[in-house]
Amino acid sequence: AQKITQTQPGMFVQEKEAVTLDCTYDTSDPSYGLFWYKQPSSGEMIFLIYQGSYDQQNATEGRYSLNFQKARKSANLVISASQLGDSAMYFCAMREQSGTYKYIFGTGTRLKVLA
Amino acid sequence: KAGVTQTPRYLIKTRGQQVTLSCSPISGHRSVSWYQQTPGQGLQFLFEYFSETQRNKGNFPGRFSGRQFSNSRSEMNVSTLELGDSALYLCASSVLTGGEETQYFGPGTRLLVL
Repeated sequence: AQKITQTQPGMFVQEKEAVTLDCTYDTSDPSYGLFWYKQPSSGEMIFLIYQGSYDQQNATEGRYSLNFQKARKSANLVISASQLGDSAMYFCAMREQSGTYKYIFGTGTRLKVLA
Repeated sequence: KAGVTQTPRYLIKTRGQQVTLSCSPISGHRSVSWYQQTPGQGLQFLFEYFSETQRNKGNFPGRFSGRQFSNSRSEMNVSTLELGDSALYLCASSVLTGGEETQYFGPGTRLLVL
């Protein structure tokens, strides 16, 4: 069965430093997509970055990069040069590209950026 | 393009009442999914509609129902409200492009059941 695990309930990072948020997944489907979302206190889930299971290179979007290690089934989010506005909940999600096509989400990591 | 919109943004109801939430997807998106988010249970999938048909369903009781219209707008209905239904209800629309289907979320509807 699909499963997403985020083991860090909360993280602190100093402004302008980089931070890595962990995500591991489990699936038997060879084709899947991995996503990261940011949820500020306002509640809206904001799409950050996507990685396909067959992508050879790690995805990057501005200050966000996804450290994809397929053999370890991990998809960690790296935020470079943290900003105060990065303080939020971060969710890792997976969608299998066959079968049910459902999205499943991890429990989230609350990131606090310190000035 | 306009993002996903949800109405109302906030709602207060009492136990036993019913409620209808609305979601308008991004133009061109045909898939709409609904999620319930609570502090205790996290983000839980309710159901997904695609071209007016329910494509996926989560593990929620029959009090939770939904539908999608021909313009892709979707509604979610909860009947006989319980205190535990208090939550943030998120709607997401998605479109398949080049083998990738990414969900984009609306701002959510905060439902409080008293």
